[in-house]
Amino acid sequence: DAKTTQPTSMDCAEGRAANLPCNHSTISGNEYVYWYRQIHSQGPQYIIHGLKNNETNEMASLIITEDRKSSTLILPHATLRDTAVYYCIAQGGGSYIPTFGRGTSLIVHP
Amino acid sequence: DAGITQSPRHKVTETGTPVTLRCHQTENHRYMYWYRQDPGHGLRLIHYSYGVKDTDKGEVSDGYSVSRSKTEDFLLTLESATSSQTSVYFCAISESPQFGTDTQYFGPGTRLTVL
Repeated sequence: DAKTTQPTSMDCAEGRAANLPCNHSTISGNEYVYWYRQIHSQGPQYIIHGLKNNETNEMASLIITEDRKSSTLILPHATLRDTAVYYCIAQGGGSYIPTFGRGTSLIVHP
Repeated sequence: DAGITQSPRHKVTETGTPVTLRCHQTENHRYMYWYRQDPGHGLRLIHYSYGVKDTDKGEVSDGYSVSRSKTEDFLLTLESATSSQTSVYFCAISESPQFGTDTQYFGPGTRLTVL
């Protein structure tokens, strides 16, 4: 799996959009970008994934650059419940067991 | 939420005692995983299973063994627990990761303390 790089921490005001960046400059053509989050003391939770196109679901939007070397997870209207650690993973190809790094700790403040 | 349970949810044990953690799924997913999570290390893969009786090691497998005798259950055993195995253990499942697009679903975790 391609290595991903994320900022260690970020903060965001409640009600504003939270934009979480991820660099995956060595991603291969058949690797997907996955995002998970982990709320304190709970198991990680799937958010969204994509290959080339931008994706949106009820939780978030995923914007992948045209060269696929980076992506941004967007939480359009962050709430206090979105405070969590967010993991970006490049998954697929020959090595199919996902590797979790340390992620980005997002704090949403009132 | 995916049907994944872990038992026990909390356990305190003494150094040198054997410990078995259980992961049970109701989704009939082929793959099951055990991770541990420690401050400063994120999630690290211990072992995983790709079918009944088929298992393989992860990056931190020393001191751990696993067994999978049926699709729904994946057991993690610490033969002789040490204080360095104090951690939170998460089980995960997925359908078929070989094709790149495969979502993992995680259990609620087991907090293990080895005194």
